[in-house]
Amino acid sequence: QQPVQSPQAVILREGEDAVINCSSSKALYSVHWYRQKHGEAPVFLMILLKGGEQKGHEKISASFNEKKQQSSLYLTASQLSYSGTYFCGTEAHTGNQFYFGTGTSLTVIP
Amino acid sequence: EAQVTQNPRYLITVTGKKLTVTCSQNMNHEYMSWYRQDPGLGLRQIYYSMNVEVTDKGDVPEGYKVSRKEKRNFPLILESPSPNQTSLYFCASSHGPGYNEQFFGPGTRLTVL
Repeated sequence: QQPVQSPQAVILREGEDAVINCSSSKALYSVHWYRQKHGEAPVFLMILLKGGEQKGHEKISASFNEKKQQSSLYLTASQLSYSGTYFCGTEAHTGNQFYFGTGTSLTVIP
Repeated sequence: EAQVTQNPRYLITVTGKKLTVTCSQNMNHEYMSWYRQDPGLGLRQIYYSMNVEVTDKGDVPEGYKVSRKEKRNFPLILESPSPNQTSLYFCASSHGPGYNEQFFGPGTRLTVL
C-alpha cells in the first residue's frame, strides 16, 4: 500500500516552481506531506483531508483528488531552503497503520 | 519543549547481540510508531501503538519487538540483530495516525556487523 511518488528527483533554480505527485492504489482518507533535510528527521508540512480540509504550512499549497486517489504538492518561487526530500504519507483504511511514499529529492540551486 | 527523544543516536554492534533503542515523548500522544529508512525505500513502518499495552505490526516487523508499558515510552528491541537491520531508525508520535501530524525523533543510525 506504499504510495508512489513522482518525480523521484528534481533540480530547480531559485525562483522556479515544482510539483510533486503522490498516488495510491487504495482509497485515501488523508494525505500527509513531510520534508526531510539531509541528516535530519522528517518535518511536517501539511495534511489534506477528505472533503477539502487542510492543516499545515501557510506558504505551501497542495491538492487532494479523492476520486483519483492522488495528491500534488506545489512549491512556487522556490528558495534554497526548499531543498530536501519530500515524502507523502497515507494511513491504511483501518486508520491505524501508516505508509510513506519513497520520496522525491528536490534540489534548489542558485 | 515538546519533543521526541531517542537514544542512542548512533550504534555499532555485532550480529546477535541484543539491543534496545529507547523513545520517549512529552506531548501526551496516544499514537507512537517506529520507522526504518533505507535508500530508495523511503520510511517503512515497523510497529505502531495506539495506546498503552496496544501494539501492532507495521509493514516490516520481522526481527523487531516493541512494548508500551507507559504512554510516553515506546522502546524498540532487536533481540538478535542481523546485518540487514543496518538502517536509520525514527520514532514518531502523534494524537492519531490519520488526521494529526507526526512528530519525529532525531533518528538512530544503527550498524550491525
